[in-house]
Amino acid sequence: AQRVTQPEKLLSVFKGAPVELKCNYSYSGSPELFWYVQYSRQRLQLLLRHISRESIKGFTADLNKGETSFHLKKPFAQEEDSAMYYCALGSGYALNFGKGTSLLVTP
Amino acid sequence: NAGVTQTPKFQVLKTGQSMTLQCAQDMNHNSMYWYRQDPGMGLRLIYYSASEGTTDKGEVPNGYNVSRLNKREFSLRLESAAPSQTSVYFCASRQDPNSPLHFGNGTRLTVT
Repeated sequence: AQRVTQPEKLLSVFKGAPVELKCNYSYSGSPELFWYVQYSRQRLQLLLRHISRESIKGFTADLNKGETSFHLKKPFAQEEDSAMYYCALGSGYALNFGKGTSLLVTP
Repeated sequence: NAGVTQTPKFQVLKTGQSMTLQCAQDMNHNSMYWYRQDPGMGLRLIYYSASEGTTDKGEVPNGYNVSRLNKREFSLRLESAAPSQTSVYFCASRQDPNSPLHFGNGTRLTVT
């Protein structure tokens, strides 16, 4: 069965510190992985997807099939990065989300 | 361009009552989704519709039914509401599995 695990409910870092939000998955096929973000009082929106291998707002995520991980990283956190982050795993048309990690960046 | 529109925004039901949550998208997307969001549980997929005329169960379908009325509209029905269905419900749509999901603003449902 496919599953997405985000082990941290809350991650608190200081401004300028590196950030890594963890995501592990279990899936028998070739995974389609995404990171979504929900800023306060805004809609959930796509942050990035593994097929694009892009950097959005300074965030990157690399798919590691050996470790079945898709961790989200940013070298220098900003206060505006404070939000709820969800890792999501696609299986055909279904898209399942992890439980989310709340990132708090303090000055 | 409205994107994904959900109605109502808020609803309070008594146990056993029924209601339908409405969702419409104006982006000509093929696929539509219903999720519920609960504290500590993240987003859980209730039902989805890969294309007009098809619907499939997600992770937590029990107690819900859906209708893909046409390409634009995808409704979620609670036939007999239970307190465990108190949640925030999100509708979303996308063109295909490689495209990003576009979310609505959510419906906050309380069942007493």
